[in-house]
Amino acid sequence: DGGITQSPKYLFRKEGQNVTLSCEQNLNHDAMYWYRQDPGQGLRLIYYSQIVNDFQKGDIAEGYSVSREKKESFPLTVTSAQKNPTAFYLCATGKGGNTGELFFGEGSRLTVL
Amino acid sequence: DAKTTQPPSMDCAEGRAANLPCNHSTISGNEYVYWYRQIHSQGPQYIIHGLKNNETNEMASLIITEDRKSSTLILPHATLRDTAVYYCIVRVATSFNTGKLIFGQGTTLQVKP
Repeated sequence: DGGITQSPKYLFRKEGQNVTLSCEQNLNHDAMYWYRQDPGQGLRLIYYSQIVNDFQKGDIAEGYSVSREKKESFPLTVTSAQKNPTAFYLCATGKGGNTGELFFGEGSRLTVL
Repeated sequence: DAKTTQPPSMDCAEGRAANLPCNHSTISGNEYVYWYRQIHSQGPQYIIHGLKNNETNEMASLIITEDRKSSTLILPHATLRDTAVYYCIVRVATSFNTGKLIFGQGTTLQVKP
């Protein structure tokens, strides 16, 4: 099936630990995005990538890092520098160009103990 | 970017049409109206978008007023699976390349049996 796969769906970590969230897509989309969602809130953009080997900071990039070595993959690392990492993380892809449609994964819920 | 205003919540009887309003009185001439929805604990799902003409697809219809200051998303025969938060977003299409969607609070639609 075509789509976006995020893993793990649920993740627990201790304070001070880095954790990497996976996002894989087989839609052949150029653009990929990472968002954070807190309870009852909208989405906030963390990082985005419009092409392989290039990515840009979003509105809340501090404490996060990404890489885009392959078109299909855009992993997000939540570092120990992120003060409030407990959240729902969403990966999305887009065709690019003038289309306004984004495709979202099922999300990863991170809880810091 | 144009700001949108949506009612925080609405109820709809199963099988009836759900009409979700959105006000965007400051919309610019090149801004599209997009609708997404988010079922609890899942990623947002694109529904429909339009510029000035009414649009229809397999999921919904979008009615945009002639002055483009408001729009209505219509789910013609709501089912229990349509219970979700519905987001109205107004954006220039090319800005989606940067992924900077602004998901506000949206409208929580509760479809009741």
